[in-house]
Amino acid sequence: AQSVTQLGSHVSVSEGALVLLRCNYSSSVPPYLFWYVQYPNQGLQLLLKYTTGATLVKGINGFEAEFKKSETSFHLTKPSAHMSDAAEYFCAVSANTGNQFYFGTGTSLTVIP
Amino acid sequence: KAGVTQTPRYLIKTRGQQVTLSCSPISGHRSVSWYQQTPGQGLQFLFEYFSETQRNKGNFPGRFSGRQFSNSRSEMNVSTLELGDSALYLCASSLIRDSYNEQFFGPGTRLTVL
Repeated sequence: AQSVTQLGSHVSVSEGALVLLRCNYSSSVPPYLFWYVQYPNQGLQLLLKYTTGATLVKGINGFEAEFKKSETSFHLTKPSAHMSDAAEYFCAVSANTGNQFYFGTGTSLTVIP
Repeated sequence: KAGVTQTPRYLIKTRGQQVTLSCSPISGHRSVSWYQQTPGQGLQFLFEYFSETQRNKGNFPGRFSGRQFSNSRSEMNVSTLELGDSALYLCASSLIRDSYNEQFFGPGTRLTVL
């Protein structure tokens, strides 16, 4: 079975500061991992994904995430926060069979000017 | 290429009524999944359709049902609405049924049950 835990339902950072959003997963098989972002009144947009290969994955808008199998983690980072990064972020995992995704409960990111 | 569209965007219903939500996937996408999003619960998987067949189902009561048409458009239906059904219902489409494939999300339908 797969599951996702996002530590911290709310994270606040100052503009220009490092963004770190935490995601830990549980999976009985090698997982596929995703980060999505949701802006108010919109659907989810893919930021980045890990399937196989390089464990450091770069996504859109300067975000990146590193798959650490030993820690069962897939934390999302961005070196310098921008006001436009304020949104809800969701980590998701899927098994390598079928097409069912499991989402975390989300982390709301606030960027302080 | 047009994205995933969902209609209507907003709905207000009363307890006991039923509702039908519609989702049009990206052209060429054959898999459609539905999620319920509520504060504190995140996204909970409802079901997935592929080639007009339900392939996966989440842990929701039988009041929640869906179907997919030959053009891949999908509908979900909730009967005998309860207050707790108030949520944002998201539809997502993907090209095929492989888990490494990105799911593309629509803007959602906001359902309010009074």
